[in-house]
Amino acid sequence: QITLKESGPTLVKPTQTLTLTCTFSGFSLTGTGVAVGWIRQPPGKALEWLALIEGDGNKQYSPSLSDRLTITKDTSKNQVVLEISDVDPVDTGTYYCAHRLIMGFGPWGQGTLVFVSS
Amino acid sequence: DIQMTQSPFSLSASVGDRVTITCRASDDISSYLSWYHQRPGKAPRLLIYAVSNLEDGVSPRFSGSGSGSGTDFTLTITDLQPEDFGMYYCQQSYSFPWTFGQGTRVDVK
Repeated sequence: QITLKESGPTLVKPTQTLTLTCTFSGFSLTGTGVAVGWIRQPPGKALEWLALIEGDGNKQYSPSLSDRLTITKDTSKNQVVLEISDVDPVDTGTYYCAHRLIMGFGPWGQGTLVFVSS
Repeated sequence: DIQMTQSPFSLSASVGDRVTITCRASDDISSYLSWYHQRPGKAPRLLIYAVSNLEDGVSPRFSGSGSGSGTDFTLTITDLQPEDFGMYYCQQSYSFPWTFGQGTRVDVK
């Protein structure tokens, strides 16, 4: 059974770097064909794909945020980390990590709500 | 970026109804189209991938189809149940950045 769980701070100040960790089980993030992605959702708004890291180390970022995003993996810990630098209140929302299937994401973590405020 | 446009934005339906949601891609995405359901306060759940393939454990009351153009897709829910209410999103995984539709809210009439 594949499970994922996000963790990170609930509150960060503007201009700080937000670090989110996705801890997963039920699969190994190694080799080709497997990947973990991050998706966020501002309150009351739609889903927005942020980044993806594959088992072979290949990374993809949303172009609109690529200069602020860094995604990494720690295979030994079964974790994927997403860093978002220079955060702003518009970065407030729920952040999800998810296992990538051949097409689409499933399953998803429960999400972690992050507020950006001074 | 490929834009995904869903219609309607929202709809009201009754238990037992048949519901149809459409999703249009701004460019050809072949069969790289997925549908998700999200209940309030919960994470999205994959329903359908590759246009018409039902994810394991998803009720056969859900079905997906495409027009063959690679741009127009439909999610159909038959015999709507109370647990089916909430938000529905389509998503393309044909090219990066992967993009979602703006969502369709299904609520109780």
